[in-house]
Amino acid sequence: DGGITQSPKYLFRKEGQNVTLSCEQNLNHDAMYWYRQDPGQGLRLIYYSQIVNDFQKGDIAEGYSVSREKKESFPLTVTSAQKNPTAFYLCASSNPGDPSSYNSPLHFGNGTRLTVT
Amino acid sequence: KNQVEQSPQSLIILEGKNCTLQCNYTVSPFSNLRWYKQDTGRGPVSLTIMTFSENTKSNGRYTATLDADTKQSSLHITASQLSDSASYICVVSRYNQGGKLIFGQGTELSVKP
Repeated sequence: DGGITQSPKYLFRKEGQNVTLSCEQNLNHDAMYWYRQDPGQGLRLIYYSQIVNDFQKGDIAEGYSVSREKKESFPLTVTSAQKNPTAFYLCASSNPGDPSSYNSPLHFGNGTRLTVT
Repeated sequence: KNQVEQSPQSLIILEGKNCTLQCNYTVSPFSNLRWYKQDTGRGPVSLTIMTFSENTKSNGRYTATLDADTKQSSLHITASQLSDSASYICVVSRYNQGGKLIFGQGTELSVKP
């Protein structure tokens, strides 16, 4: 079955360490996204990529970095510059690359819960 | 400001009962509105999508309505089941904004036996 795989499901890090969250999709989708979910708040867009080797900042990109070297993969690095990194991180993809399109819902992975102490 | 507000924040109902979740938005220009279901510890899954010309859309026991004039949507769940326990997220798209989505904070539904 096609889908999006995020790993690991739970991640624990010490403050000051960088950490990379994995996201792999076999849906052959062009566009991929990273969202952050905090209790009582709507999802917020961190970064998105419409095509390989290209990506754009979302609404809360500070303290995060991404790469898109392969169509299937879109890893997210949470750097030590991110002031409040503890959150649930969701990766998503869509095709075509406009998730506001009527026929193009976001397909989400099952998330990575990051805890930084 | 483009916002999506959902109510109630949380809801507890008994199995077999019906319930209605609300979504009010101030997003402009409006393109479409989508409801997602998110089980605990999982990613959201799309339930329905509506444009301004659609008043109602059903997906099994889920029925969404849209009033584009008052900028309100509702999600009605009929004959609830334990598996309906989840967070329900309303998402509004802005027209011609390159895929900009505005997410509501979600309604946490708990169905008790």
